[in-house]
Amino acid sequence: AQKVTQAQTEISVVEKEDVTLDCVYETRDTTYYLFWYKQPPSGELVFLIRRNSFDEQNEISGRYSWNFQKSTSSFNFTITASQVVDSAVYFCALSEAGGGYQKVTFGTGTKLQVIP
Amino acid sequence: DVKVTQSSRYLVKRTGEKVFLECVQDMDHENMFWYRQDPGLGLRLIYFSYDVKMKEKGDIPEGYSVSREKKERFSLILESASTNQTSMYLCASGAGGVTYEQYFGPGTRLTVT
Repeated sequence: AQKVTQAQTEISVVEKEDVTLDCVYETRDTTYYLFWYKQPPSGELVFLIRRNSFDEQNEISGRYSWNFQKSTSSFNFTITASQVVDSAVYFCALSEAGGGYQKVTFGTGTKLQVIP
Repeated sequence: DVKVTQSSRYLVKRTGEKVFLECVQDMDHENMFWYRQDPGLGLRLIYFSYDVKMKEKGDIPEGYSVSREKKERFSLILESASTNQTSMYLCASGAGGVTYEQYFGPGTRLTVT
């Protein structure tokens, strides 16, 4: 069965601090996909990144970076030099497809508050 | 930019009413999805559609049905609304199935009294 755990319910940081959002997943499939989405106060989820299970290369995009480690089943998200605009709820998601099924599981989200 | 719009931001309905939530996307995406979002539960997939008139059940389809008569429009129907269906409903679209990124609408907060 699929499971995504975001153990951090809420995090507060002061602007310019670095912050890491944790995501741990469970799956029996060897082929799967991981995602991060951002949900700002306006409510609309915004896609940030997609990773497949065969690509463990870390990725950096500006102040955002992602660390994918299959050995620990984790896909953590780091924001460097946080800004007030980073305040949002962040969701990690896991999806699988094949053999006539499609399944996606979202974590419960981490609410990040960046204090000026 | 992908645009996904939902017919209402806020909706209040009475128990037993039939409720229609509409979603429209403008990117010619094959796939569309309906989720509900509840505190402490994250997003849960209700139904998705991979083509016109085609649909698949998600994790929590009970009490819901869907309709996709045109590619750009995906409707979620609550046949007889109940208070436990009070929630935020999010529509999404994507070029692929669940293994591809999805683009979300602003959500409809439905309250059933």
